[in-house]
Amino acid sequence: QKEVEQNSGPLSVPEGAIASLNCTYSDRGSQSFFWYRQYSGKSPELIMSIYSNGDKEDGRFTAQLNKASQYVSLLIRDSQPSDSATYLCAVNTLGGYNKLIFGAGTRLAVHP
Amino acid sequence: AAGVIQSPRHLIKEKRETATLKCYPIPRHDTVYWYQQGPGQDPQFLISFYEKMQSDKGSIPDRFSAQQFSDYHSELNMSSLELGDSALYFCASSSDEDEAFFGQGTRLTVV
Repeated sequence: QKEVEQNSGPLSVPEGAIASLNCTYSDRGSQSFFWYRQYSGKSPELIMSIYSNGDKEDGRFTAQLNKASQYVSLLIRDSQPSDSATYLCAVNTLGGYNKLIFGAGTRLAVHP
Repeated sequence: AAGVIQSPRHLIKEKRETATLKCYPIPRHDTVYWYQQGPGQDPQFLISFYEKMQSDKGSIPDRFSAQQFSDYHSELNMSSLELGDSALYFCASSSDEDEAFFGQGTRLTVV
């Protein structure tokens, strides 16, 4: 089992819809969770971080964390074609000090 | 604001040659990560440093080595290059295990 798992997609949503991206992790002691956006050939760009159970909103983005279920999600409201990218979930594990582990990423396609 | 700087941006090497990639973290960041990302793949963790000491190691081949210097910049040394080493290499830095920010990456092509 991979330490961080994501559905690779592609997830296709129409412009203006809500895109829902999901991620599960295996290390129950993980404390820090991040969502990165990566355009093809570019470096990952941090868009959200979340550390405690519940929701965290930033503009059109909402991150949700459920540590009991070892689940973290990202909702993108009013999706735009410019949101089309690969979204990487990353978890800072306690199994290794200073090790940020990434999921395989979910490719999102927002069509007009 | 200052970002993570990587050099060179592009590098072409022949098989069995050696390559050195450099990373300059964001000022006052104490942690540096190195990742390798092949085409269509997620970033694979190679190695990390905290306060100039190696803190964790991932799937880094024995042919690769890395270190962090007194000014906190880090170098990834890759020897006996193979065709399969062709990839994007990213460096990221963070402070106190918090949010990590990535450099623009070095695209290594081994021919």
